[in-house]
Amino acid sequence: DAMVIQNPRYQVTQFGKPVTLSCSQTLNHNVMYWYQQKSSQAPKLLFHYYDKDFNNEADTPDNFQSRRPNTSFCFLDIRSPGLGDAAMYLCATSRTGVETQYFGPGTRLLVL
Amino acid sequence: AQSVTQLDSQVPVFEEAPVELRCNYSSSVSVYLFWYVQYPNQGLQLLLKYLSGSTLVKGINGFEAEFNKSQTSFHLRKPSVHISDTAEYFCAVSGVGGGFKTIFGAGTRLFVKA
Repeated sequence: DAMVIQNPRYQVTQFGKPVTLSCSQTLNHNVMYWYQQKSSQAPKLLFHYYDKDFNNEADTPDNFQSRRPNTSFCFLDIRSPGLGDAAMYLCATSRTGVETQYFGPGTRLLVL
Repeated sequence: AQSVTQLDSQVPVFEEAPVELRCNYSSSVSVYLFWYVQYPNQGLQLLLKYLSGSTLVKGINGFEAEFNKSQTSFHLRKPSVHISDTAEYFCAVSGVGGGFKTIFGAGTRLFVKA
């Protein structure tokens, strides 16, 4: 089945230690998104790629970076995680910007 | 810019009872509207969407929603809920021609009791 895969499902890191979260898709969609979702809150868009074009939300901290080496993969890098970065990180894809988004199962990040 | 308000943070309901989850939006342009469901420790899954055409939209798992432009609402309904419908439900909006950003509401936790 075509799908969006996130690895790992759970990630524990130490305060200030860089961490990378991975997302891959078999849908061949043009757009890939990264969302941060804290407990009992709405997903908050961090940034998205349309093909290789990177679009950062204005309020996304500089601590968060992303890479998309090819259509299938997208990475979220947190350069120096703080306690406030503990959250669920969701990857999503869509064929174009206005269509349904397909979400991965998420990576839950814990910062110690 | 768009915004979404989900009027109820939690909705408890008995099994087999009807339910309505309320969603209001604001936008200066035409919109696309979505309802997503999130089960514990999972990503979001599309329930239904309104892009254009008929204002009554039917989705998966027996859910439907009605787009009301005059009241700027997109309420989600199900005539008879099951225990398995217990989940978080998110209403979302995208502006037509507004690029790639979808705005999500804060979510409504539906809790179905036996």
